[in-house]
Amino acid sequence: GAVVSQHPSRVICKSGTSVKIECRSLDFQATTMFWYRQFPKQSLMLMATSNEGSKATYEQGVEKDKFLINHASLTLSTLTVTSAHPEDSSFYICSARGDRGGAGSYNEQFFGPGTRLTVL
Amino acid sequence: GENVEQHPSTLSVQEGDSAVIKCTYSDSASNYFPWYKQELGKGPQLIIDIRSNVGEKKDQRIAVTLNKTAKHFSLHITETQPEDSAVYFCAASRGYSTLTFGKGTMLLVSP
Repeated sequence: GAVVSQHPSRVICKSGTSVKIECRSLDFQATTMFWYRQFPKQSLMLMATSNEGSKATYEQGVEKDKFLINHASLTLSTLTVTSAHPEDSSFYICSARGDRGGAGSYNEQFFGPGTRLTVL
Repeated sequence: GENVEQHPSTLSVQEGDSAVIKCTYSDSASNYFPWYKQELGKGPQLIIDIRSNVGEKKDQRIAVTLNKTAKHFSLHITETQPEDSAVYFCAASRGYSTLTFGKGTMLLVSP
């Protein structure tokens, strides 16, 4: 149980285009999803927290107009990188947390496999 | 806010040896401490976690210990195998706050 998928696994795009990444919880309802960014040989950097049906909360320094997050259902959150530039190239990872008392109770977070974004 | 320190940054062991990774945290109210294993090009995988109401938890070759007084927790891997080679991250959180991660430990198990 507690499987999280991400799509696509890797994407290459031209500078100036937008890219959408999907994060799905496959076998539990994720009331909260998190989006992280990870640079090579570094730890995970939290970008934003999204709760189903409400606006995402962004970490300091993360541009909300550039990284659009939508959490429209209990099993799907999307991250759209708008007007992507080479400096946005990174490994993006989502995680999901379930309802309190259900799968993912306490603060268990289950991570997706990540999306490698390369902006040319 | 919470601050998590993780040591060592790299750890090389021979197959069959034990490996220990240590983390310290700053927020005495933190009550959840997970450990994640991340293989190259993949997302982190939760391998074991511990909550503040217990001092030790074991799952086959993996164990985690927690010292709340000293505010540190450790991951112990016994009888290491080459497939244990990966980057390991510790994390801490208070209640349902966000996870704060350590910087990671690259574990290399040589056959």
